Amino acid sequence: GQQLNQSPQSMFIQEGEDVSMNCTSSSIFNTWLWYKQDPGEGPVLLIALYKAGELTSNGRLTAQFGITRKDSFLNISASIPSDVGIYFCMNSGGYQKVTFGTGTKLQVIP
Amino acid sequence: NAGVTQTPKFQVLKTGQSMTLQCAQDMNHNSMYWYRQDPGMGLRLIYYSASEGTTDKGEVPNGYNVSRLNKREFSLRLESAAPSQTSVYFCASSEGNRQPQHFGDGTRLSIL
Repeated sequence: GQQLNQSPQSMFIQEGEDVSMNCTSSSIFNTWLWYKQDPGEGPVLLIALYKAGELTSNGRLTAQFGITRKDSFLNISASIPSDVGIYFCMNSGGYQKVTFGTGTKLQVIP
Repeated sequence: NAGVTQTPKFQVLKTGQSMTLQCAQDMNHNSMYWYRQDPGMGLRLIYYSASEGTTDKGEVPNGYNVSRLNKREFSLRLESAAPSQTSVYFCASSEGNRQPQHFGDGTRLSIL
């Protein structure tokens, strides 16, 4: 199925560094969702965005809904080892129009 | 606070065997979903249930059937398992259409 373009595909960073990743689409969406998936587990919802321009934080995580409604950004500040995992975006234009980002694999070096 | 619970966590089947994957949510959500996740493919929607009493096909429904047993439970059945159905299966639920989905921890299914 259709996937959202997500970058970077993978990142190696030092503990304490900030991280930024983004998702882009050719379509306009009304919702952007960010998830994290740890190995062997299911995706966990991190942040939900509902309005263009919206900036929402969840602890060290901050996400923004792009004003064009075609993109979204996720930032992680002061990374720690437990931030390791795969992050992906998701949005839903309806039950059969769910699309997922290709994922960003984050590795944190202690 | 269980959220979405899937059973079993792991299963190995032989080609042609049947199996039902169970999913239950305790968030009083109206909508439930079944996905499969394969390497390099991301999550793909198999079936969904918009509300109790309704089910509809997603992107990859062939070889699967579902039952929305009640508001809490949504099961996925493989009638005659095939090696191509080896995958990790995730159940999810949401309050409704276009609402954030909450996922279970998955069932890892291998078909030999």
